[in-house]
Amino acid sequence: KAGVTQTPRYLIKTRGQQVTLSCSPISGHRSVSWYQQTPGQGLQFLFEYFSETQRNKGNFPGRFSGRQFSNSRSEMNVSTLELGDSALYLCASSLAARLTGELFFGEGSRLTVL
Amino acid sequence: SQQGEEDPQALSIQEGENATMNCSYKTSINNLQWYRQNSGRGLVHLILIRSNEREKHSGRLRVTLDTSKKSSSLLITASRAADTASYFCATPRNNNAGNMLTFGGGTRLMVKP
Repeated sequence: KAGVTQTPRYLIKTRGQQVTLSCSPISGHRSVSWYQQTPGQGLQFLFEYFSETQRNKGNFPGRFSGRQFSNSRSEMNVSTLELGDSALYLCASSLAARLTGELFFGEGSRLTVL
Repeated sequence: SQQGEEDPQALSIQEGENATMNCSYKTSINNLQWYRQNSGRGLVHLILIRSNEREKHSGRLRVTLDTSKKSSSLLITASRAADTASYFCATPRNNNAGNMLTFGGGTRLMVKP
């Protein structure tokens, strides 16, 4: 069974640009969540989608958005990039509708903003 | 804000020794999970302990949970160089409201061969 796939793995952008990251969950998983990891703030929850609906959202500005498609694949978008958006963005999928079990993480997309 | 705080932040031991990491959290939980992350990679789930459990084992891992003290510990026995990684505890952000986790700051474990 294929794991969670995130693309691209690495990318470099400049301030003011926008970026779209993609996540393909494990087959059959309908919950997809996104996390941002930085050395200073650690792992922070961005948002979670379940059956194409955003169920929960973390404390991030509106520049951060996401969506989920009918096949459960998810994308997140960051507009008007700032230097502080440089981070490892991790996607996780889950079979359960609620947190009764583990989350399966992808390898992440490492974004560098210059 | 981080729900869990881990202690120590960094730990260096020799192969064969045991490694103990501690996690404290702030609110009531229905479960607590531990994850491992190799440098710059994704997180891998290690073990989940429910609030009605006090101890759980998985291979060389032993996890304890003390809900009265809002704390958990992860013990790795007979450590190996391959155990070198960061270890995070995680708790549900909002019990029964979806798949959201709040992570601790992590413990960086280095196991020297």
